[in-house]
Amino acid sequence: DTGVSQDPRHKITKRGQNVTFRCDPISEHNRLYWYRQTLGQGPEFLTYFQNEAQLEKSRLLSDRFSAERPKGSFSTLEIQRTEQGDSAMYLCASSLSRSLTTDTQYFGPGTRLTVL
Amino acid sequence: DQQVKQNSPSLSVQEGRISILNCDYTNSMFDYFLWYKKYPAEGPTFLISISSIKDKNEDGRFTVFLNKSAKHLSLHIVPSQPGDSAVYFCAASARDRDDKIIFGKGTRLHILP
Repeated sequence: DTGVSQDPRHKITKRGQNVTFRCDPISEHNRLYWYRQTLGQGPEFLTYFQNEAQLEKSRLLSDRFSAERPKGSFSTLEIQRTEQGDSAMYLCASSLSRSLTTDTQYFGPGTRLTVL
Repeated sequence: DQQVKQNSPSLSVQEGRISILNCDYTNSMFDYFLWYKKYPAEGPTFLISISSIKDKNEDGRFTVFLNKSAKHLSLHIVPSQPGDSAVYFCAASARDRDDKIIFGKGTRLHILP
C-alpha cells in the first residue's frame, strides 16, 4: 500500500450531469476527509468520516453533494446536477485517529473536475 | 474569515540560501500546525508539523518555528534546492474539531539557479 489513491484523476462533464469520485485511503486509517481546492486557494474542508460514520459536513457541501463510506474503507463523493461552479480539484485525505494525539492527514493526488 | 493567513503569494530564493515562509493564524484553539508542499497536478504532500506545546521542530533541511503569543509560525528550508520549488501550504487544526485542517492560500516558492 503506497498511499491514498483517487479515481478518476480527471473528469470533464456537462452541466447538469451527475459525477462520482472514489477515494481509497491508506489501509489502516480510520478517518477519511474530503476537501475541495479552487484556483488560488488552499484546500477547503467538505466532510469527514470516522470509519463508516459521516461526522461533519461543511456548509460548502450543498444538497447536491453526497458522500459515503459504506464499509469504513473506500469512500465515494457524488455531485448531482453539476454546475460550472463545481469545477475544482477534489482531494481526499486519510489519517489514523488516536485518542491522545493529533494525527497527520495524508492526501491523495486529487480528482480534477471540469464542468462545461 | 481567513483563519490561516499566508500573506506572501510568492517568494524567490537563490539556490543554497535559506527560504523562510511565514504564516499567521487567528484561532487560539488551534493546537497542531502543519506544512504541506504541493506540485502542480498532485495532492498536497505532508512536510512537517508542530504541536502547540513545542516552539520548534526540525526534520533535515526543514525547521518549523511556532510563536504562540504572536500566533505566527514559519518554515525554514536550508539550504534551498531546485526541487523545493512548489506551493507551500500552512495549515492548522484543533483536537476538539476532529483534526479538521484549515489551510492558508499558499506561497509559491521559486528556487533560482
